Amino acid sequence: EAGVVQSPRYKIIEKKQPVAFWCNPISGHNTLYWYLQNLGQGPELLIRYENEEAVDDSQLPKDRFSAERLKGVDSTLKIQPAELGDSAVYLCASGTSGNYEQYFGPGTRLTVT
Amino acid sequence: GIQVEQSPPDLILQEGANSTLRCNFSDSVNNLQWFHQNPWGQLINLFYIPSGTKQNGRLSATTVATERYSLLYISSSQTTDSGVYFCAVEENYQLIWGAGTKLIIKP
Repeated sequence: EAGVVQSPRYKIIEKKQPVAFWCNPISGHNTLYWYLQNLGQGPELLIRYENEEAVDDSQLPKDRFSAERLKGVDSTLKIQPAELGDSAVYLCASGTSGNYEQYFGPGTRLTVT
Repeated sequence: GIQVEQSPPDLILQEGANSTLRCNFSDSVNNLQWFHQNPWGQLINLFYIPSGTKQNGRLSATTVATERYSLLYISSSQTTDSGVYFCAVEENYQLIWGAGTKLIIKP
């Protein structure tokens, strides 16, 4: 069974530029999560989806971050414009409703210069 | 909200040694997971263990929910066990993470 797939794995951009990350969850998983992880810390939740609905986006900085999961499968997280402080690893995880276990993708390491 | 504390913060061992990592949490939980984050950043599920004991090869975990702690045991450590071990508990559908235990296994 394939795991959570994320792309790109690495991205370097200049500040004020836009950037997008893509996530394909494990087949059959209807819940999807985007996390941000800074070096030396645990992941921080940005947004949680159940199917195509964003059920918790309270920690998503909506002035510059947006996310979508149009068909309830793949998801895209976008930052526009990027700031230096956005440099981090962006992780996607998936699971199933009613089962709290989450499975993580390899992450996208973003560097903003 | 729930507080999660892990100990020790750092651990350096020789290959072949055994270790015990601890996770304390401040309230009852529906979900507790142990993860290994390898040096390349990949978070790998080790155990989903809200209560009881599980074993997988050289690793085992025990959660005593009534006393609000979980233990991760690593036996016969290998260099590939190096990385950060996180404990995370679920609260309102999101995972609350401990600060992790950084494990270094020396050859």
